[in-house]
Amino acid sequence: DIQMTQSPSSVSASVGDSVTITCRASQDIRNYLAWYQQKPGKAPNLLIYAASSLQSGVPSRFSGSGSGTDFTLTISSLQPEDFATYYCQQANSFPYTFGQGTKLEIK
Amino acid sequence: QITLKESGPTLVKPTQTLTLTCTFSGFSLTTSGVGVGWIRQPPGKALEWLALIYWNDDKRYSPSLKSRLTITKDTSKNQVVLTMTNMDPVDTATYYCTHPSGPGVLFDYWGQGNLVTVSS
Repeated sequence: DIQMTQSPSSVSASVGDSVTITCRASQDIRNYLAWYQQKPGKAPNLLIYAASSLQSGVPSRFSGSGSGTDFTLTISSLQPEDFATYYCQQANSFPYTFGQGTKLEIK
Repeated sequence: QITLKESGPTLVKPTQTLTLTCTFSGFSLTTSGVGVGWIRQPPGKALEWLALIYWNDDKRYSPSLKSRLTITKDTSKNQVVLTMTNMDPVDTATYYCTHPSGPGVLFDYWGQGNLVTVSS
């Protein structure tokens, strides 16, 4: 199985700040990487697919980059509604695995 | 638009079999390329992919849980059923029904989730 490792596990930031979350795959997944946002008590919501493509309806302050084994999610100009937990997922090969999550908290 | 909704028990006893139903709309499991998946999340923990079924009855299971899982579809009812045998307290989780999409296999639509507690 491909292991997905996110860092940091948690991060504190203020409204207006920019935050970067990283995700590392244990083997090459090309650009088959998705990012999800999850708020408490809710299902995850797809933000980014193919490492850098924004899902329809997702604000442009979210951006993704990377290929191979190293990926990043950047949220610029944080808004109050962005404080949530973020997960990466490799979409390259079965079984489809997720990172352990990064909790973004208000400072 | 695509919607999915899980239904099933909220409490099961250890060793029992869990049966969850996903009822969906906005797409058909008779259409080439279409599938439905299940993902679970223990309280406070990460997401874990469980199983997928496709329009052609191709099925994929998490290797670690394969011996306990069965996924089936009823295209006439727009439903997918997941069964998990020999439930244990560590299987306590919210179980989500999902719609897989590409590129690769990612999940663009999710049900609201069904919290299942395993306890005697």
